[in-house]
Amino acid sequence: AQSVAQPEDQVNVAEGNPLTVKCTYSVSGNPYLFWYVQYPNRGLQFLLKYITGDNLVKGSYGFEAEFNKSQTSFHLKKPSALVSDSALYFCAVRDAGAGNMLTFGGGTRLMVKP
Amino acid sequence: GAGVSQTPSNKVTEKGKYVELRCDPISGHTALYWYRQSLGQGPEFLIYFQGTGAADDSGLPNDRFFAVRPEGSVSTLKIQRTERGDSAVYLCASSPLAGSRTDTQYFGPGTRLTVL
Repeated sequence: AQSVAQPEDQVNVAEGNPLTVKCTYSVSGNPYLFWYVQYPNRGLQFLLKYITGDNLVKGSYGFEAEFNKSQTSFHLKKPSALVSDSALYFCAVRDAGAGNMLTFGGGTRLMVKP
Repeated sequence: GAGVSQTPSNKVTEKGKYVELRCDPISGHTALYWYRQSLGQGPEFLIYFQGTGAADDSGLPNDRFFAVRPEGSVSTLKIQRTERGDSAVYLCASSPLAGSRTDTQYFGPGTRLTVL
């Protein structure tokens, strides 16, 4: 079975400061990891993914994420937050050897204050 | 190009009624997925199609839920004898080539189903 945990329901950060949204995962095989963002009344928008290779993955809108195998984590980061980054962020995992379904975390609401 | 589209955007129905939710995937995408997102939670997998066939329907909660993709493009999720607990946002996603390591699922805006 595969699972994802996002330990923070909400993260508050001031505009211009760095942000981190945490994610840990559990899979039987090799993980494929994803971050999606959801704006109000909108679907999920793909931000970035880790498949293999470099542990630091760069994605859309200046976001990046660091894969840490020993800690089974895939935290989302951005060096300088924008008010427009305020949204709901979901981490997801797919087990490389066990089908194509994504398993999502419960989501973290990011609030960036001016 | 056009993304995944879903209709209707909102559906209100009464308990016991039948509903159909439609998904138009990105053109050329062979794989199509349905997820359900309850309030305050992350999406949960329901079913996945590769072409016309359901490759994995392990997430369907019971036999009231059924989905089809007869021509390998548009898909319809069908819910019989709706219950209040079926109220959720139903998300559809498509991807170019399921099973590929680099495959990415792209989501539509969802259909918000409310069962009164």
